[in-house]
Amino acid sequence: NAGVTQTPKFQVLKTGQSMTLQCAQDMNHNSMYWYRQDPGMGLRLIYYSASEGTTDKGEVPNGYNVSRLNKREFSLRLESAAPSQTSVYFCASSGLAGQETQYFGPGTRLLVL
Amino acid sequence: SQQGEEDPQALSIQEGENATMNCSYKTSINNLQWYRQNSGRGLVHLILIRSNEREKHSGRLRVTLDTSKKSSSLLITASRAADTASYFCATVASGTYKYIFGTGTRLKVLA
Repeated sequence: NAGVTQTPKFQVLKTGQSMTLQCAQDMNHNSMYWYRQDPGMGLRLIYYSASEGTTDKGEVPNGYNVSRLNKREFSLRLESAAPSQTSVYFCASSGLAGQETQYFGPGTRLLVL
Repeated sequence: SQQGEEDPQALSIQEGENATMNCSYKTSINNLQWYRQNSGRGLVHLILIRSNEREKHSGRLRVTLDTSKKSSSLLITASRAADTASYFCATVASGTYKYIFGTGTRLKVLA
C-alpha cells in the first residue's frame, strides 16, 4: 500500500517547455488535489477533482491544466512553463471531498529557468 | 488569498515544554485540520475537527475550535526534538470542497 505517489521527484525545465506531473493513489479515494508550495508559504490549491470525471479550479489555476484519468490518477500539466511556476508541487487525495483527511504525496520539485 | 493565518509564525521552545499555535480563518467552515510538515517532505495529517466540535485529543495533541471567534489552537504537550517541523491549519469553507491552508508555524524544539 504505497498511498500517494508522485513522479518525477525533481525536474528542471526551460521557460516555454511543457511537462506533466503524475499522481496516483491506491486508497480508493474519490477526491484528488494539486497544490503548490513556495518557500516559506503554505500550500495553495491549483486544481482539484471532487470525484472521478470532475475537475475544478482552485486558488491559482492559471498556467495549469489537469486530467483525472481514472479514479486512481490525477495529472497536472504545465503547457508553457514560466519561472513563476518554480515551486514544490504536492498531490493529495481524500475520501469524501472536503469532509475527510487528506493524504499527501512526497512532492515534485520543479525549477523553471 | 489564504483562509487561515497561523500565529506565531515561528516558535522556539525547550524539550519538555508545551507548544501552542493558533489559527484564524475568515468564513464559516465544515471542518478544520492540522498538518505537520518536516523539512522538504509532504504533509502529514494530525487532527480533523468538525464545526460542531469544540475540542479533540490525539496523544500529546489537543485541538480546540471556537467558531464564534473563527479560531483554532493546537497544543503539543511535553514536546520532543522530533516535533520540530512546520504546522499548518487547513479549513474547508461551508458549501465547498476546497482545502485552504494557512501560512504555517515553524516550531523548533531544542534538546
